[in-house]
Amino acid sequence: AQKVTQAQTEISVVEKEDVTLDCVYETRDTTYYLFWYKQPPSGELVFLIRRNSFDEQNEISGRYSWNFQKSTSSFNFTITASQVVDSAVYFCALSATGGFKTIFGAGTRLFVKA
Amino acid sequence: DTGVSQDPRHKITKRGQNVTFRCDPISEHNRLYWYRQTLGQGPEFLTYFQNEAQLEKSRLLSDRFSAERPKGSFSTLEIQRTEQGDSAMYLCASSFWEFRDRAGGELFFGEGSRLTVL
Repeated sequence: AQKVTQAQTEISVVEKEDVTLDCVYETRDTTYYLFWYKQPPSGELVFLIRRNSFDEQNEISGRYSWNFQKSTSSFNFTITASQVVDSAVYFCALSATGGFKTIFGAGTRLFVKA
Repeated sequence: DTGVSQDPRHKITKRGQNVTFRCDPISEHNRLYWYRQTLGQGPEFLTYFQNEAQLEKSRLLSDRFSAERPKGSFSTLEIQRTEQGDSAMYLCASSFWEFRDRAGGELFFGEGSRLTVL
């Protein structure tokens, strides 16, 4: 069975604070992809990043960074110097060879206050 | 822009009526997915197509739900005899899949079709 757990339901921060969104996954497949998607108030889910299971290098893109640790089955997402425009629901997701479908976590709603 | 488009964006219907949603994926994409999202939850997988073949269906998809992708381009999702529990946002997504991409690529979502069953 595949599962994605985002234990943080809501996080509220003040602008310019750093914030980390946690994601823990379960899969028996050895080949899989992990994703983060953003769903702003307008509603459309937007792809942010994909990592494959063989690449544990951390990645940084501007103010966004991702930490993938197979040992703890985690794929955490950090926003540095948060901005009001970062307010959204963020979903972690998993796609494995077993089913070819992408499974989403329940999401973490991030509020960034000015 | 040639993103994923869905129609209608909103549908209000009475219990027992049939509804149909349409999705036009990104033209180069060979995979099309339907998801359902309820308030406060992540998208739940319903079904997906590779070209015109429906390859997997979730157990969430009861007999009242049917999806088609007749020519491997647009897709329709029909819900017959709607129930109040069907009220949700129905999301369509597409992706381009190659054999070497065994675990699937990123999904490009439409804006969704919100269904309210009274």
